[in-house]
Amino acid sequence: GNSVTQMEGPVTLSEEAFLTINCTYTATGYPSLFWYVQYPGEGLQLLLKATKADDKGSNKGFEATYRKETTSFHLEKGSVQVSDSAVYFCALSDRAGNTPLVFGKGTRLSVIA
Amino acid sequence: DVKVTQSSRYLVKRTGEKVFLECVQDMDHENMFWYRQDPGLGLRLIYFSYDVKMKEKGDIPEGYSVSREKKERFSLILESASTNQTSMYLCASSSRTSGSLGETQYFGPGTRLLVL
Repeated sequence: GNSVTQMEGPVTLSEEAFLTINCTYTATGYPSLFWYVQYPGEGLQLLLKATKADDKGSNKGFEATYRKETTSFHLEKGSVQVSDSAVYFCALSDRAGNTPLVFGKGTRLSVIA
Repeated sequence: DVKVTQSSRYLVKRTGEKVFLECVQDMDHENMFWYRQDPGLGLRLIYFSYDVKMKEKGDIPEGYSVSREKKERFSLILESASTNQTSMYLCASSSRTSGSLGETQYFGPGTRLLVL
C-alpha cells in the first residue's frame, strides 16, 4: 500500500540555519505530495503541495521538489526563524483518489535564537 | 476564509462515559475525517465520511463511532470512554473534486481529551 517515511525528529537548529526534512514515499502511479505544518496548540495547515514530477511547491520560504526518480519530496528552507518551530508532516494522495491522504509520522523542529 | 471548528479545545471525562466530539465546516465540503494524534505515532485515521449518512472505517475504528446527519457536521462518539483514548483528536474536511478523497484537507484546531 501507499506509505510515507519522514526523518525522525526532533530537529534542533539555530536561527538562520539551513533546514532539510527528508520525506520519501511508496505509491503506485504518480501521487500528489503535500507538506503540512502544525504550530503549537493548533491543527495542521497546508504548507505546500506538488501534483506532478519535477513540480516545486513553495510557501513562506519553504520549498520542496517532487522527485519521481528518488520517490522523494524533501522540505527545505534557507534560513529558519524561531517562529518556524513546529511539527512538519509529509503526506501523499494517490492519483485515483480512492483513499484519504496518507501522512508521515511528523518531524518536530525547534529553532533556538 | 476556510474554517473547521471543533466543539471543545479541552475535555476531561471519566472512564465509561459516553463522549461526543463535534466538528463543523463551513466550506460545503463533501469529505470529512477524524484522526487521533499521539506522540511517536503521528496521525491515525479513525473514520471518514464522503457524504451525508455515509461513513467508512479508517485504520483504528475500534471503540469509536461517527454520525453525519448534515453535510457540515461530523461527530465522533466514544461509546464508553477508556483511559487509552486519552489523545488529541483532529477533524478535517476536503472537497470531493472528481470524486476524489485525496484533495487538500483543512483541519480544525483539535480537541485534547483526557479520560480519567
